[in-house]
Amino acid sequence: AQTVTQSQPEMSVQEAETVTLSCTYDTSESDYYLFWYKQPPSRQMILVIRQEAYKQQNATENRFSVNFQKAAKSFSLKISDSQLGDAAMYFCAYRLRGNMLTFGGGTRLMVKP
Amino acid sequence: EPEVTQTPSHQVTQMGQEVILRCVPISNHLYFYWYRQILGQKVEFLVSFYNNEISEKSEIFDDQFSVERPDGSNFTLKIRSTKLEDSAMYFCASSIGLAADTQYFGPGTRLTVL
Repeated sequence: AQTVTQSQPEMSVQEAETVTLSCTYDTSESDYYLFWYKQPPSRQMILVIRQEAYKQQNATENRFSVNFQKAAKSFSLKISDSQLGDAAMYFCAYRLRGNMLTFGGGTRLMVKP
Repeated sequence: EPEVTQTPSHQVTQMGQEVILRCVPISNHLYFYWYRQILGQKVEFLVSFYNNEISEKSEIFDDQFSVERPDGSNFTLKIRSTKLEDSAMYFCASSIGLAADTQYFGPGTRLTVL
């Protein structure tokens, strides 16, 4: 069974600084998909960024980028120029070819003004 | 921008009662999902639904759970006889396709079983 681990229950960052959220996963598959979702307080989860395992290039979306290390089974999220609106729970998730997403336990990110 | 919506936002019920949680997926999406998150725990997959039938389900999704798409817009999760341990946040999601396609989540329904 696949597992996803987020080892940092909470992180804090100063506004305008950079922060990296960690995620590791365990799988024996070679073709899969990885996602970072953001969940603001009392709001739905929204997709931040995704990565296809067959792609060597790390995905980027504006201030968000990932460091995908396939051999190490690591998928960290870097947030540059942090903003107050980035404060949220961040979930790392894994998906094989089928339907289900397997989530990590989440990291609560606090942004200090 | 289209969104997945869920009603109610909070449901309180007595143990043993039936509850129906409702979701309206994004209109052109073909795949629908339910997830749940018990307080302080991970978000867990329950079931996926495509072409009017269950395509995948987890071991959590036992006989007390059922899903239905009663019309062209709603997608429901029924819990037949609620237990205390069913208290959780239930998220509906939808996607156009599988695998790489993004699953869009609703805001969730908080179910409290007393």
